[in-house]
Amino acid sequence: NAGVTQTPKFRVLKTGQSMTLLCAQDMNHEYMYWYRQDPGMGLRLIHYSVGEGTTAKGEVPDGYNVSRLKKQNFLLGLESAAPSQTSVYFCASSLQRPGLAISITGELFFGEGSRLTVL
Amino acid sequence: GDSVTQMEGPVTLSEEAFLTINCTYTATGYPSLFWYVQYPGEGLQLLLKATKADDKGSNKGFEATYRKETTSFHLEKGSVQVSDSAVYFCALSDRDFGNEKLTFGTGTRLTIIP
Repeated sequence: NAGVTQTPKFRVLKTGQSMTLLCAQDMNHEYMYWYRQDPGMGLRLIHYSVGEGTTAKGEVPDGYNVSRLKKQNFLLGLESAAPSQTSVYFCASSLQRPGLAISITGELFFGEGSRLTVL
Repeated sequence: GDSVTQMEGPVTLSEEAFLTINCTYTATGYPSLFWYVQYPGEGLQLLLKATKADDKGSNKGFEATYRKETTSFHLEKGSVQVSDSAVYFCALSDRDFGNEKLTFGTGTRLTIIP
């Protein structure tokens, strides 16, 4: 019962360094999302994907890139990390569009989060 | 654009107290509404949902009613337990074309003391 798995769980970077966060889901979900969580700001959507090979910008995409080469994986990249990117990052996936008013819930399943600190 | 406004936290209650966490929304279409809960050290998980006006979502003793006339989806529980201590997020997804994502509120931290 892995669900949604994020790696790494913790990372400390220096300004200007690059890194990639990996999200893997084993539920055959079409939709995948990357959110960041900051105190007083709630969750803000960075990028999302509605299927393999597709990506779209969310609310706060600047400074991040994503790729969805395989259906089960959604990668979030920081090319040149900045202190403003210090945050907790959550990946999520869903089988259907979250807002569909049908019996399939469109529930989002979240990973446990990745805490990133940029010095 | 779509937005969700939650009551400011943190909220601290004694065990067995009545809980209300307010949530109001702004949406261009007819949204589905959700409450997610985040326990310490974990990711978010769905608590309950409602997909049309006057629907009541319920789970684990929590309830919320979709009120279109007041654009609200307040979370309630009659008797809280220590295990309910968590951060609660209200969220919406607009059912118009392109409803692939959820918009979250800022979250309300709830602490229940024995």
